[in-house]
Amino acid sequence: DVKVTQSSRYLVKRTGEKVFLECVQDMDHENMFWYRQDPGLGLRLIYFSYDVKMKEKGDIPEGYSVSREKKERFSLILESASTNQTSMYLCASSLWRGPGEQFFGPGTRLTVL
Amino acid sequence: AQTVTQSQPEMSVQEAETVTLSCTYDTSESDYYLFWYKQPPSRQMILVIRQEAYKQQNATENRFSVNFQKAAKSFSLKISDSQLGDAAMYFCAYRRNTGNQFYFGTGTSLTVIP
Repeated sequence: DVKVTQSSRYLVKRTGEKVFLECVQDMDHENMFWYRQDPGLGLRLIYFSYDVKMKEKGDIPEGYSVSREKKERFSLILESASTNQTSMYLCASSLWRGPGEQFFGPGTRLTVL
Repeated sequence: AQTVTQSQPEMSVQEAETVTLSCTYDTSESDYYLFWYKQPPSRQMILVIRQEAYKQQNATENRFSVNFQKAAKSFSLKISDSQLGDAAMYFCAYRRNTGNQFYFGTGTSLTVIP
């Protein structure tokens, strides 16, 4: 079974703090994704990566950056957290070939005070 | 741009009955994939069913089946013999064959009434 894990299930941070969310997958997937999930808005893509050190902006990259130094690990960074970044963050991974269905981590619920 | 629309924010169904969740999408591509994902309360998102656009036959996975109407760009999910464990948020998603990005709908919250 594909396993995607995220570093924290719940996180509380202060405005202005630098926040790191980490995601690890164990199935040698090329693609990795970061989404934020908000009620009524569904899943919105922040960034994705199709290879080590490669990244592409999604629909809402502002205020976020990412890092992929190893194939299995994809980090989301909030350089200076703001209250409007309070959300559920989901990581996913997929193969680049075939249907490429995404496998999701359990999510991190981030609260910025 | 690809968009995925789920017009039913909430649905409910009696246990053991059948329910259909709607999804429409907009694309100019001819080769793509469609997915339904399930997200139970406070639990991980999992794949329910997948449909390849080049296949005319509707996909089926046990109690879950789809009605794929390519010309109408419609992809509905039918859940038969609904169970309490089917209560969840359901997301429809699209991916074109030559891209990595998924496009998700806004979700339908399904309640199963005992």
